[in-house]
Amino acid sequence: AQSVTQLGSHVSVSEGALVLLRCNYSSSVPPYLFWYVQYPNQGLQLLLKYTSAATLVKGINGFEAEFKKSETSFHLTKPSAHMSDAAEYFCAVTTSGTYKYIFGTGTRLKVLA
Amino acid sequence: DTGVSQDPRHKITKRGQNVTFRCDPISEHNRLYWYRQTLGQGPEFLTYFQNEAQLEKSRLLSDRFSAERPKGSFSTLEIQRTEQGDSAMYLCASSLASLRRNTEAFFGQGTRLTVV
Repeated sequence: AQSVTQLGSHVSVSEGALVLLRCNYSSSVPPYLFWYVQYPNQGLQLLLKYTSAATLVKGINGFEAEFKKSETSFHLTKPSAHMSDAAEYFCAVTTSGTYKYIFGTGTRLKVLA
Repeated sequence: DTGVSQDPRHKITKRGQNVTFRCDPISEHNRLYWYRQTLGQGPEFLTYFQNEAQLEKSRLLSDRFSAERPKGSFSTLEIQRTEQGDSAMYLCASSLASLRRNTEAFFGQGTRLTVV
């Protein structure tokens, strides 16, 4: 079975500061990993995905994430936060042999002016 | 194609009433998922279709919940005799899957259900 753990349910950063949202996964087979963003009363929008190609994955809106197998991590980063980045972020895992996407509990990002 | 669409976006119903939600997936996607999301939580898996076949239903779902995907196109999720605990955002997603790979899941905007 797969699972993800997101450390920190709330993260606050100043505008222009580095954004780091943490995700650790558990999977007995090679995982596919995803980061989604959700704005209030909206669905989930895909930011980026890791599907066993390059370990450093670039996504939309300047976000990127690095797959580290030794640390079972897939942390999301952005060099400089914008006010528009304030939202909830979810890490998710699936595998090629399954169909469920298992989500973490989310991290709410607040960007301070 | 404009993505996954869900209807309605919001639904307020009285306890005990039945409600039905519709999801139209991306047209070439063969997999369709229903998830439920409560405040402050991540989406929880409810059920999954491969084409028209419902292959799994979560133990989270009581017998009051039923989903269909006739002809492998749109899907409906019905909740009978709604309870206040059913209040949540219901998310539909679709993906294209083959033996070798899964694409990412694309989500709709969700249906916000409030049971009063």
